[in-house]
Amino acid sequence: TQLLEQSPQFLSIQEGENLTVYCNSSSVFSSLQWYRQEPGEGPVLLVTVVTGGEVKKLKRLTFQFGDARKDSSLHITAAQPGDTGLYLCAGRGSQGNLIFGKGTKLSVKP
Amino acid sequence: GAGVSQSPSNKVTEKGKDVELRCDPISGHTALYWYRQSLGQGLEFLIYFQGNSAPDKSGLPSDRFSAERTGGSVSTLTIQRTQQEDSAVYLCASSRSSGPNGNEQFFGPGTRLTVL
Repeated sequence: TQLLEQSPQFLSIQEGENLTVYCNSSSVFSSLQWYRQEPGEGPVLLVTVVTGGEVKKLKRLTFQFGDARKDSSLHITAAQPGDTGLYLCAGRGSQGNLIFGKGTKLSVKP
Repeated sequence: GAGVSQSPSNKVTEKGKDVELRCDPISGHTALYWYRQSLGQGLEFLIYFQGNSAPDKSGLPSDRFSAERTGGSVSTLTIQRTQQEDSAVYLCASSRSSGPNGNEQFFGPGTRLTVL
């Protein structure tokens, strides 16, 4: 069974601080995705990483895929209150269904 | 264009009753997925439809859960004899295609089900 472990589960920081969220698995994934979910809404795709060692940047967010394609990280620089939300990593199962980590609930205080 | 829509947005029911949750995927999307999001459990895959093929029901937690997709478009998730542990947000997603290299999945806002 493919599982994704995310850490930390909760993160509360001040505006301007940096943070890193981790997503780890014992299984190899062909790709990993990161989503952000706000209350009352469905998850929205932020990025897909495909190649081992790949780094992608989205403004102040940096995503990295591990060399062995078993883990990924999301780093946010100078967090803003607008970054508050639930961050989810997900890999694809054999049928295309997404296998999600349990998420990291981020709160950025002004 | 319109995104994935789900109805109702909230449903409160009594234990033992049946409920139906509806999903309208994005027009032209052939793949449709149902997920369940429980407190502290993350999103859990339930069932997947690809076009007119037989659905992949491998994620359904019990035989009280079933789903159908009419005309390759609208889908209904039915939970019979609801239990309190069925309380969760039920999310629907659609994509242009499926498989391990399938396109991006677009999620609806979910239906929050509360079983009293």
